[in-house]
Amino acid sequence: DIQVTQSPSSLSASVGDRVTITCRASQSIGTFLNWYQQKPGKAPILLIYAASSLQSGLPSRFSGSGSGTDFTLTISSLQPEDFATYYCQHSYSPPITFGQGTRLEIK
Amino acid sequence: EMQLVESGGVVVQPGGSLRLSCAASGFSFDDYNMHWVRQVPGKGLEWVSVITWDGSSTHYADSVKGRFTISRDNSKNSLYLQMNSLRTEDTALYYCTKEERISRGYYFYGMDVWGQGTTVTVSS
Repeated sequence: DIQVTQSPSSLSASVGDRVTITCRASQSIGTFLNWYQQKPGKAPILLIYAASSLQSGLPSRFSGSGSGTDFTLTISSLQPEDFATYYCQHSYSPPITFGQGTRLEIK
Repeated sequence: EMQLVESGGVVVQPGGSLRLSCAASGFSFDDYNMHWVRQVPGKGLEWVSVITWDGSSTHYADSVKGRFTISRDNSKNSLYLQMNSLRTEDTALYYCTKEERISRGYYFYGMDVWGQGTTVTVSS
């Protein structure tokens, strides 16, 4: 089974900061990597699909990159509404797995 | 508007059974692979199962394999999860999700539509 490992598990940052979250797959998954944002009490929303495609309607400060085993989610300039938990997820082949999550907190 | 509405979550005793349902609307249900994902409150997301657009192929997480069965009725725009031999560790919020693109091959994609979830509690 393919595992995905996210880092860091938590992160403190300020409004306006540039933030990067990484996800590493246990074997090559091409670009079958997706990123989600989840706020407390809400369902996750898809941010980035296929490693680097921004979901329609979402702000361009979110971007994704990578292929193979190493991937990154970048938020170019943090906004107050971006403080949430972020998950990566591979969809290369079942069983599909999510990363452990990165909790992004206000500094 | 694309929408998924789960139902069927209740309190059940260990060893019991339960069937979750998910009603889809606002998109062509029979074009998309569908998943179940669960989340223990305060914890991370755990993928549970997927069924292909035509119901011909299903896959499960190791933690539920042999106990849970995913199915769909495209004529009713509905997804189901039959849960048998329930354990306390199955207690979670269960989400129904839709893939973000149509797939006709052996490929799976991100999940762009999520329901609000239905809560399953396994407790004596």
